[in-house]
Amino acid sequence: KNQVEQSPQSLIILEGKNCTLQCNYTVSPFSNLRWYKQDTGRGPVSLTIMTFSENTKSNGRYTATLDADTKQSSLHITASQLSDSASYICVVSAYGGDLGNDMRFGAGTRLTVKP
Amino acid sequence: DSGVTQTPKHLITATGQRVTLRCSPRSGDLSVYWYQQSLDQGLQFLIQYYNGEERAKGNILERFSAQQFPDLHSELNLSSLELGDSALYFCASSVPGGSLGSSTDTQYFGPGTRLTVL
Repeated sequence: KNQVEQSPQSLIILEGKNCTLQCNYTVSPFSNLRWYKQDTGRGPVSLTIMTFSENTKSNGRYTATLDADTKQSSLHITASQLSDSASYICVVSAYGGDLGNDMRFGAGTRLTVKP
Repeated sequence: DSGVTQTPKHLITATGQRVTLRCSPRSGDLSVYWYQQSLDQGLQFLIQYYNGEERAKGNILERFSAQQFPDLHSELNLSSLELGDSALYFCASSVPGGSLGSSTDTQYFGPGTRLTVL
């Protein structure tokens, strides 16, 4: 079972609308949670990084929230643009001690913004 | 452009062969990460190096190995290739936040190397 589950798998919205993507995880012990945007065939681009003590973090029109108690995170996109069409990937890192942190990736949410 | 370069962009080879993927991190970045992205398994973390030393290991197969050189570029060696190794291989680098870097350092990804094993 994947330790990082994202929903929905895909989403289509109209330009200018808002949307929220979900990420649930079971990774433990928790170190940090990252959201990435990945255009098709290109490398992921970091949007936000949150540690255990952070509840929310913004990057322009992107706002991520984290509830470490329920092990849930969301990524809210405001006033969507055509260029927001991409896959959004949630990544959760676990403390590995001397082995270093291990990273677990969600399968991603494919967002399509239509004019 | 992230500042991370990867070569080659595309690589086509046969099963059983060995290939080497190369990554040059952003200027000043000491950490290099390698990732594999395949259609059926998504993105997976393979291995991290910090200033020439292995720092963290993920789902890296024994047939795969990596190293980081004194000039900080890194190479990922894939041997005894199988059809299932066909994937996009990404390298990322990060700015160290301390003596060993911070777990929350932003990682900057390269454009990837697309490996096709026939």
